[in-house]
Amino acid sequence: SQQGEEDPQALSIQEGENATMNCSYKTSINNLQWYRQNSGRGLVHLILIRSNEREKHSGRLRVTLDTSKKSSSLLITASRAADTASYFCATDLTDSWGKLQFGAGTQVVVTP
Amino acid sequence: DVKVTQSSRYLVKRTGEKVFLECVQDMDHENMFWYRQDPGLGLRLIYFSYDVKMKEKGDIPEGYSVSREKKERFSLILESASTNQTSMYLCASSLWGVAVSYEQYFGPGTRLTVT
Repeated sequence: SQQGEEDPQALSIQEGENATMNCSYKTSINNLQWYRQNSGRGLVHLILIRSNEREKHSGRLRVTLDTSKKSSSLLITASRAADTASYFCATDLTDSWGKLQFGAGTQVVVTP
Repeated sequence: DVKVTQSSRYLVKRTGEKVFLECVQDMDHENMFWYRQDPGLGLRLIYFSYDVKMKEKGDIPEGYSVSREKKERFSLILESASTNQTSMYLCASSLWGVAVSYEQYFGPGTRLTVT
């Protein structure tokens, strides 16, 4: 079964609104990473948050991590049409030795 | 600019053919990965290599093999393609760390159709 599971599966918002998506996981992690995938393309790394961090920012992105609840959230503020993509969380398990476990992704559509 | 390239963006093969998917990275990364991506299933790891000639099975290695003769190149081989191997194949690379994963850099993907 997948380690990271995103919620919701799909999200439709208008430009200027905020988009929030969540990721839950099952076992201990070293870090959690978020990636973006534009339609039919490869994934692009967005942000990495370590297990001893609670919040991290990068531009319009804000990621939180709650290890007690085994969950993370990605917030995109003031969304743009160019943010239309699928977003994936990936967990680095403590016994993974270099491998990541990806969730099924959240598909975000931002309409002008 | 860092780069991971894959030999084809689209590929159509017949059932039973031997298929080679090539991946090259220019970042001197130790780790390289092959994933397949199917709708609703996310990315599933097929094989992983942490050094030249070293490989490790991922979650779904059946029907696949890999080759890593040089650090920058990681090949995925479908010994006898089947229709259930129709999928998007993604290659990635990353630095090697002791019991920790770093960010992965992905290629553009190869959409393989087996007829």
